[in-house]
Amino acid sequence: QKEVEQNSGPLSVPEGAIASLNCTYSDRGSQSFFWYRQYSGKSPELIMSIYSNGDKEDGRFTAQLNKASQYVSLLIRDSQPSDSATYLCAVNSQGGSEKLVFGKGTKLTVNP
Amino acid sequence: DAGVTQSPTHLIKTRGQHVTLRCSPISGHKSVSWYQQVLGQGPQFIFQYYEKEERGRGNFPDRFSARQFPNYSSELNVNALLLGDSALYLCASSLMPYEQYFGPGTRLTVT
Repeated sequence: QKEVEQNSGPLSVPEGAIASLNCTYSDRGSQSFFWYRQYSGKSPELIMSIYSNGDKEDGRFTAQLNKASQYVSLLIRDSQPSDSATYLCAVNSQGGSEKLVFGKGTKLTVNP
Repeated sequence: DAGVTQSPTHLIKTRGQHVTLRCSPISGHKSVSWYQQVLGQGPQFIFQYYEKEERGRGNFPDRFSARQFPNYSSELNVNALLLGDSALYLCASSLMPYEQYFGPGTRLTVT
């Protein structure tokens, strides 16, 4: 059973639109949630972290967390072609370590 | 400030050989984690070290080992390489227990 699920996509949006990326997780005790952006051939880059229920905004990015539904999302407003990348959802697994469990990622393409 | 550094960038090895990958964390970070990422998948956790102690181990065979040095840099060793070990190996550092920042990775190809 997969622990972190993401829509594999690909997701295609026009420039200027809102891109919505979704993630569900199975470990109800998870406390920390992260979104990473990974360009092709590059390593993951941390773009958002969220620890409590609700919304967290940073520039054009908004992360949303609902622990009751075990659901995390990332909204990208005013999408730009430079946002085209794979977005990885990561959840901190309990157990005393910093183990992150990743989804397979959602590939986003923003069309000019 | 310098980010996480890893060496080498690319590596080609033959089945059965041994490989050592190196990582230097962000200055001030005492925690280092290693991940393996195969094409089309998210990174898979291999090890975490904090203050030179192993704090976590993923579901990888004993051919994989790691250690952390007094300056908080780390090595990942893989013995008896298999074709399936071909992947991008990522090192991440953090001010435990907060966000993890990845290095550029080492791309290992086993032939």
